[in-house]
Amino acid sequence: AQTVTQSQPEMSVQEAETVTLSCTYDTSESDYYLFWYKQPPSRQMILVIRQEAYKQQNATENRFSVNFQKAAKSFSLKISDSQLGDAAMYFCAYRSEGSNYQLIWGAGTKLIIKP
Amino acid sequence: KAGVTQTPRYLIKTRGQQVTLSCSPISGHRSVSWYQQTPGQGLQFLFEYFSETQRNKGNFPGRFSGRQFSNSRSEMNVSTLELGDSALYLCASSLVGGASQPQHFGDGTRLSIL
Repeated sequence: AQTVTQSQPEMSVQEAETVTLSCTYDTSESDYYLFWYKQPPSRQMILVIRQEAYKQQNATENRFSVNFQKAAKSFSLKISDSQLGDAAMYFCAYRSEGSNYQLIWGAGTKLIIKP
Repeated sequence: KAGVTQTPRYLIKTRGQQVTLSCSPISGHRSVSWYQQTPGQGLQFLFEYFSETQRNKGNFPGRFSGRQFSNSRSEMNVSTLELGDSALYLCASSLVGGASQPQHFGDGTRLSIL
């Protein structure tokens, strides 16, 4: 069975600085997709970034980028130039044919932005 | 384009009652998935519907059921409510539900059991 682990329950960063959130996963599959979702206090789960396992190039979306290490089964999220609006819970998730297409979630990391 | 709409936003019930939650997906999306989010268990998959058929089911008791209508709207029903059913229930939609397609979430329904 696939599992996703986020070992940092909480992280804090000064506004305008860079922060990296960690995520590791376990799977025996070679084809899968990884996601980072953000959940602010408003509760809506918002897709931040997506990575296809078959792509070696790390995904990037504006200030958000990932460091995808397939062999190490690691998928970290880097947020550059942190803004107050980035404060939220961040969830790492895995999805594949083997997971019956359901999202397998990590426990989440609470990101605090210090002004 | 309107996002995923979940109703009601909040719900308070007592033990033993039943409840129905509603989810309207993004227009054109045919796959709807439901997740339960609690502080203790985190996010857990309940089930997925596609073209009015349940395609996948998570590890939840039979008290949790759902359905999907021809317009892709979905409902989730929980019977004989227990205190442990208190949670945020999230609905997500995607075009056809393949692994590559990101899921778009609604704001959730906060269910409290007294």
